[in-house]
Amino acid sequence: AQSVTQLGSHVSVSEGALVLLRCNYSSSVPPYLFWYVQYPNQGLQLLLKYTSAATLVKGINGFEAEFKKSETSFHLTKPSAHMSDAAEYFCAVTAVAAGNKLTFGGGTRVLVKP
Amino acid sequence: KAGVTQTPRYLIKTRGQQVTLSCSPISGHRSVSWYQQTPGQGLQFLFEYFSETQRNKGNFPGRFSGRQFSNSRSEMNVSTLELGDSALYLCASSLAASGGSTDTQYFGPGTRLTVL
Repeated sequence: AQSVTQLGSHVSVSEGALVLLRCNYSSSVPPYLFWYVQYPNQGLQLLLKYTSAATLVKGINGFEAEFKKSETSFHLTKPSAHMSDAAEYFCAVTAVAAGNKLTFGGGTRVLVKP
Repeated sequence: KAGVTQTPRYLIKTRGQQVTLSCSPISGHRSVSWYQQTPGQGLQFLFEYFSETQRNKGNFPGRFSGRQFSNSRSEMNVSTLELGDSALYLCASSLAASGGSTDTQYFGPGTRLTVL
């Protein structure tokens, strides 16, 4: 079985400050990890994906995430927050053995203060 | 290329009724998955269809069912609706060129179902 834990259901950052969203996973097999963003009344948009090719993954809108196997973590960062980053962010895990099933964390809602 | 489309976007039903939601995947995508999103339970996997066959199923009662057509479009059906079925239902499609499970899933905007 796989699971994802996102630390902090709400994060508040100032515009221009570092955004750090934490994600820890549990998987008995090599994981594939994703970050998605959800804006109000919309579906999920893929930010980035880890598939074992490189531990540092760069995504859209200036986001990146680093896979750390020893810490079972896949934290999402962005050096400088923008007002448009206000949204809910979801970390998800899957594996070849899991079929095409994504297991999601509880989500982190980001508030950006001017 | 057009994204994943879901119809209808909003739906209001009463307890005991049934409902059918529709999902059209990205052109060329063969796999369609369905997820339920609620404030209490978060995002939960319902089932996945690939080449008209259910390939994977989540932990939901038999009232939740689905199917996939030869053009990869998918429908999900919920019978005997309960208040707790109120949720955002998201459909996601993936290329699944090799039938693999690690292809990126692209999500539609969802159908917001309210059960009164």
